[in-house]
Amino acid sequence: ETGVTQTPRHLVMGMTNKKSLKCEQHLGHNAMYWYKQSAKKPLELMFVYSLEERVENNSVPSRFSPECPNSSHLFLHLHTLQPEDSALYLCASSQDGSLARETQYFGPGTRLLVL
Amino acid sequence: EDQVTQSPEALRLQEGESSSLNCSYTVSGLRGLFWYRQDPGKGPEFLFTLYSAGEEKEKERLKATLTKKESFLHITAPKPEDSATYLCAVHSGAGSYQLTFGKGTKLSVIP
Repeated sequence: ETGVTQTPRHLVMGMTNKKSLKCEQHLGHNAMYWYKQSAKKPLELMFVYSLEERVENNSVPSRFSPECPNSSHLFLHLHTLQPEDSALYLCASSQDGSLARETQYFGPGTRLLVL
Repeated sequence: EDQVTQSPEALRLQEGESSSLNCSYTVSGLRGLFWYRQDPGKGPEFLFTLYSAGEEKEKERLKATLTKKESFLHITAPKPEDSATYLCAVHSGAGSYQLTFGKGTKLSVIP
C-alpha cells in the first residue's frame, strides 16, 4: 500500500449504531487530519493530530471522537449520528503539521450514509 | 477570517478549448496556495503549491499562477480525462494547521 488509505470506503449506519473509520498513511508523515466534505460545501477541517497529539478541534460535536494511537494510524469513532452527518469523510497527512507551507495528501475517503 | 472563492462553479469545454479557472482569496498573510484535483467519489489529488506572487508552476496541460489576490489554473488544450473538480485552498498564519478550501470548479471536457 502506498500513500493514504481509508477503510471502509462506504458505510451505512443507523442513528443508534457505533462505528469507526480507519485511516493509515504510508508516507512517514507526523501529522494527520480528518475532514468532512458535504455536497456544495467546502471541505471542513475536523481534527488535527501532530505526533499523536491532538492540536486542533474545530468545534466538532462530541458524537465524533478521534483517536491517534501512532503517527501512521488515525481513527474516527462515530456514535449516535444524525442524518446531516452523511458526507464524505477524508483523511489527510503531512510531513510535520507545524509548518504552514506543508502539502497535505488525502486518502480516497469514506462515504458515510446515516439513516 | 480567511476566505476562498472559486469561479466559475462549473465549466464545460470542448476538447482542445483552452480556458482558466479562478481562485480569489482573502487571508491574513498567505503562507501557501494549493491546487487539488478531485474525481467523483475520490479524495483530492495534489497538483501544485504556490508560495509568492509571480510564481508559476506547470504540469502537463496545467499551469498555475499566483498574484497577491488570486490564482489562476490555466488548462491548455484539455482532454476528456481532465474532467474533474478542481479545488483551491490557502494556508495562512504561522503555526496554523488550517487549510481553507473553496467550493471548487467542476470541469467537464466534451470530446
